[in-house]
Amino acid sequence: AQSVTQLGSHVSVSEGALVLLRCNYSSSVPPYLFWYVQYPNQGLQLLLKYTTGATLVKGINGFEAEFKKSETSFHLTKPSAHMSDAAEYFCAVSDPGGGSYIPTFGRGTSLIVHP
Amino acid sequence: DAGVIQSPRHEVTEMGQEVTLRCKPISGHDYLFWYRQTMMRGLELLIYFNNNVPIDDSGMPEDRFSAKMPNASFSTLKIQPSEPRDSAVYFCASTKDRNTGELFFGEGSRLTVL
Repeated sequence: AQSVTQLGSHVSVSEGALVLLRCNYSSSVPPYLFWYVQYPNQGLQLLLKYTTGATLVKGINGFEAEFKKSETSFHLTKPSAHMSDAAEYFCAVSDPGGGSYIPTFGRGTSLIVHP
Repeated sequence: DAGVIQSPRHEVTEMGQEVTLRCKPISGHDYLFWYRQTMMRGLELLIYFNNNVPIDDSGMPEDRFSAKMPNASFSTLKIQPSEPRDSAVYFCASTKDRNTGELFFGEGSRLTVL
């Protein structure tokens, strides 16, 4: 069964600083990996996903993530934080090759952006 | 296109009362999911449907919880009787192709049981 660990329940950065949200996964087969974002009082929306091919994946709002198989990681980054990036971020994994199509979500990381 | 629509957005009820949460998936989406989000347990999958048929309800916490999907455009999650520990945000999500893993979420129903 697949699982996801997000390191740090809260990450605080200054506006303009680098954003790094960490995600490690456990999967017995090549996984599909996702980052979702949840703004206050809203549902989750897909930020980006990795299925196959290029390991560096670009998403909306300037975010990107890199799949590193050797490290079983899929960390989310953004070069320069904006106040509007303040939200909850969820990493998720699925194993379609293993028959587990439904994403399993991590506990989430709250991104706080200071002016 | 309208997104996933959930109602009510907020519900406050007293312990022992019946609660019904509603969801309208995106038209054409064959899969519908119910999730529960709490501080303690994060985002948990309760049940999901394919073509209105429940496929996996192993996440439903106990018999007080039930979910139905009478047609392709409507689903309900019912809690009877409700308890304070059921307080959470309940999300409905849908997708056309489960293989993509991309789910489209509603804005959630925040339930408070006093």
